[in-house]
Amino acid sequence: DAGVIQSPRHEVTEMGQEVTLRCKPISGHNSLFWYRQTMMRGLELLIYFNNNVPIDDSGMPEDRFSAKMPNASFSTLKIQPSEPRDSAVYFCASSYTLGSAYNEQFFGPGTRLTVL
Amino acid sequence: AQSVSQHNHHVILSEAASLELGCNYSYGGTVNLFWYVQYPGQHLQLLLKYFSGDPLVKGIKGFEAEFIKSKFSFNLRKPSVQWSDTAEYFCAVREGNTGFQKLVFGTGTRLLVSP
Repeated sequence: DAGVIQSPRHEVTEMGQEVTLRCKPISGHNSLFWYRQTMMRGLELLIYFNNNVPIDDSGMPEDRFSAKMPNASFSTLKIQPSEPRDSAVYFCASSYTLGSAYNEQFFGPGTRLTVL
Repeated sequence: AQSVSQHNHHVILSEAASLELGCNYSYGGTVNLFWYVQYPGQHLQLLLKYFSGDPLVKGIKGFEAEFIKSKFSFNLRKPSVQWSDTAEYFCAVREGNTGFQKLVFGTGTRLLVSP
């Protein structure tokens, strides 16, 4: 299994530009999570999906951020317009969820975003 | 809202020293507790977890953690660290007995082990 795949691994962009981060979860997993890691705030959950449906987006910082999961094998996190304070490492994670049971979340390698 | 506190942001140890990293959480109900590790340049990996039962949990690579409910704590320990343990360690909590999959992470502790 290739694990959770994220692209790009590094992204440098200028303020005001649109940024799209991509994630392919582990095959068979039905929950997908987007996290942001910064020095100041650590690792924060932005949004998570279950069976392609957003369940909790309370961590999405503002309307400039949006996430989609059009199918079970692909998700995007978009920032439009981007700002320097969005600079962070963005992680995607996936797990298999059945009922209320918890199963381990497997993390991708992350996308390091720098907004100039 | 839940919160997780890791009071040690940076820890420097020599090889063979003992390690204890603190973790406290704020949620008063049933919790599931986790420690994740992030080695330099790598993604987060699960080190160990506590759901119920024996409050002393054994994980991979000789790590263990103890859940003390009265103190809302889940400290990570290792009797003798190695240079390869240099990494960032994250404590996380999830509300137990619910369908919520959300993990709340602490801000992390960077451990540097000098050879």
